[in-house]
Amino acid sequence: DAGVIQSPRHEVTEMGQEVTLRCKPISGHNSLFWYRQTMMRGLELLIYFNNNVPIDDSGMPEDRFSAKMPNASFSTLKIQPSEPRDSAVYFCASSFGEVAEAFFGQGTRLTVV
Amino acid sequence: KQEVTQIPAALSVPEGENLVLNCSFTDSAIYNLQWFRQDPGKGLTSLLLIQSSQREQTSGRLNASLDKSSGRSTLYIAASQPGDSATYLCAVRPSAGNNRKLIWGLGTSLAVNP
Repeated sequence: DAGVIQSPRHEVTEMGQEVTLRCKPISGHNSLFWYRQTMMRGLELLIYFNNNVPIDDSGMPEDRFSAKMPNASFSTLKIQPSEPRDSAVYFCASSFGEVAEAFFGQGTRLTVV
Repeated sequence: KQEVTQIPAALSVPEGENLVLNCSFTDSAIYNLQWFRQDPGKGLTSLLLIQSSQREQTSGRLNASLDKSSGRSTLYIAASQPGDSATYLCAVRPSAGNNRKLIWGLGTSLAVNP
């Protein structure tokens, strides 16, 4: 298996633009997690899905952030409108069961200017 | 509220040394604990996962121990190599309650010098 695949790897956008991050989990995994990593706050869980259903979105910072998982092999994290403080590395992770070992993608480095 | 602390924040050692990275947590009610490695600009790689019923796990030159009663885990790296240079993160999963998401430390940045 190729592991968790995220795209794009890097994204530079202007403030106010819509940003969409994509994730393909490992085949067979039924839990998917979106994280944000910054130097100041470390890793923060934004939202996670179990069997394509959002279970906990309490980490989503505000209404500008939204996430979807239309099927077991694809998820998106959207920021609209983007702001400079959204600049961070966004990771997607998947696991077989929400408490099992988590496997991470390479991340998307987002820069909002 | 569970909190995870990793000390030191940064560590620099000469090649060949055996070293220990520390992870402490405030609530002993954990389901498992996981150690990850993160290379600069890269994602996280799972190194070892210790279930709450286990005392240690080993993989190659890595050994992770768990002492729930004292709220501590250590990652032991034997005969360190420059390729071990990375940030090492510890994450704890609570065993109880509705919120069982991973609680993360901020990591220890390790530099192994040739």
